[in-house]
Amino acid sequence: EAQVTQNPRYLITVTGKKLTVTCSQNMNHEYMSWYRQDPGLGLRQIYYSMNVEVTDKGDVPEGYKVSRKEKRNFPLILESPSPNQTSLYFCASSSGILPNNEQFFGPGTRLTVL
Amino acid sequence: AQTVTQSQPEMSVQEAETVTLSCTYDTSENNYYLFWYMQPPSRQMILVIRQEAYKQQNATENRFSVNFQKAAKSFSLKISDSQLGDTAMYFCAFAAYGGTSYGKLTFGQGTILTVHP
Repeated sequence: EAQVTQNPRYLITVTGKKLTVTCSQNMNHEYMSWYRQDPGLGLRQIYYSMNVEVTDKGDVPEGYKVSRKEKRNFPLILESPSPNQTSLYFCASSSGILPNNEQFFGPGTRLTVL
Repeated sequence: AQTVTQSQPEMSVQEAETVTLSCTYDTSENNYYLFWYMQPPSRQMILVIRQEAYKQQNATENRFSVNFQKAAKSFSLKISDSQLGDTAMYFCAFAAYGGTSYGKLTFGQGTILTVHP
């Protein structure tokens, strides 16, 4: 089954404790992206990657890191999480760059930083 | 920069009736797409319908249709014969071929739609 997977689905952590949210897709997609969803703000792009070793900042990159060492994986790294990073996170992938390639979303990761 | 505005935080409709969700956007780009996504309680993001800006004909997908007014920068979603399974948060989104929107979806704030039996 073609899909985007994220792990973990739920995570509660404390301020300053480094964490990684994994994202993997099995569709051989070149383009991957991370969004965060907050009430009243919709989804906002954090980082995106057009291919292996090619990443760039989205609208809200502060406090986040990403890497793209393999085509299928695009982990999101929070080196020192803070409470304002409590959010719902989505990974997405597409076969090519938007807008004419449909973006497929993962199931989401609910992160709480205490 | 592109912006997408959904002015209705919440809407409700009776089963089998029709409801329209509003969306306006602002952009200086000429070539772009507009999208409606639904997010049911499962949190999964599901593409409902999309519209290419250069196409004048409004897109339709079964019970879902849009009213695209390019000059007014308006992109509303009409859901006909509403079903309980349509209960979800609906997001309007924009993506362009160039400019600062290149490579990403810009989302509105979302509208929570509840379908009542």
